[in-house]
Amino acid sequence: QQPVQSPQAVILREGEDAVINCSSSKALYSVHWYRQKHGEAPVFLMILLKGGEQKGHDKISASFNEKKQQSSLYLTASQLSYSGTYFCGTEIWDKIIFGKGTRLHILP
Amino acid sequence: DAGVIQSPRHEVTEMGQEVTLRCKPISGHNSLFWYRQTMMRGLELLIYFNNNVPIDDSGMPEDRFSAKMPNASFSTLKIQPSEPRDSAVYFCASTPEGYGYTFGSGTRLTVV
Repeated sequence: QQPVQSPQAVILREGEDAVINCSSSKALYSVHWYRQKHGEAPVFLMILLKGGEQKGHDKISASFNEKKQQSSLYLTASQLSYSGTYFCGTEIWDKIIFGKGTRLHILP
Repeated sequence: DAGVIQSPRHEVTEMGQEVTLRCKPISGHNSLFWYRQTMMRGLELLIYFNNNVPIDDSGMPEDRFSAKMPNASFSTLKIQPSEPRDSAVYFCASTPEGYGYTFGSGTRLTVV
């Protein structure tokens, strides 16, 4: 039931792009994306609802393919502040089940 | 808006003791969730409430864990008796329906 995220970890240089994938074995109502910095709480980035829409948030955007039960998070021209662990959360029956996270480290 | 407020921030207790974690959700948010985070298991949903009513407690590990939400502005998660394997960061989160979750700062629990 827990969504699967890939890759588990990414190391980038500032300015490079990254893609984080999230897939589920269950039919999804929506997908959430969060970022957590070390020692802090997860912070909501965006929610994608059924309909395959793509959303953007500064240079961070995401897509949701409900037929494939997959979502991807795109980070463009990464900044040092993007470092952290990214979690996707799949909404099933009004509750969110989170993946194990993707650790992203940005080097200057 | 002060956000979701959790207390205490850190708790160190001895095995067998009772532990109570507290959470004040954002006013107007009708759903409240308790999660536990460990390196091994990630973010696990323990229980969630909607309009103060427990909806799904299937994630509560065992009978030693209990949660209440006596009113819209307060919830507790109690562990009695506590065990070393309960050591984790416990997060409370709230949301109005259909929106993203706002997490509290968490309570880091250490059971020795």
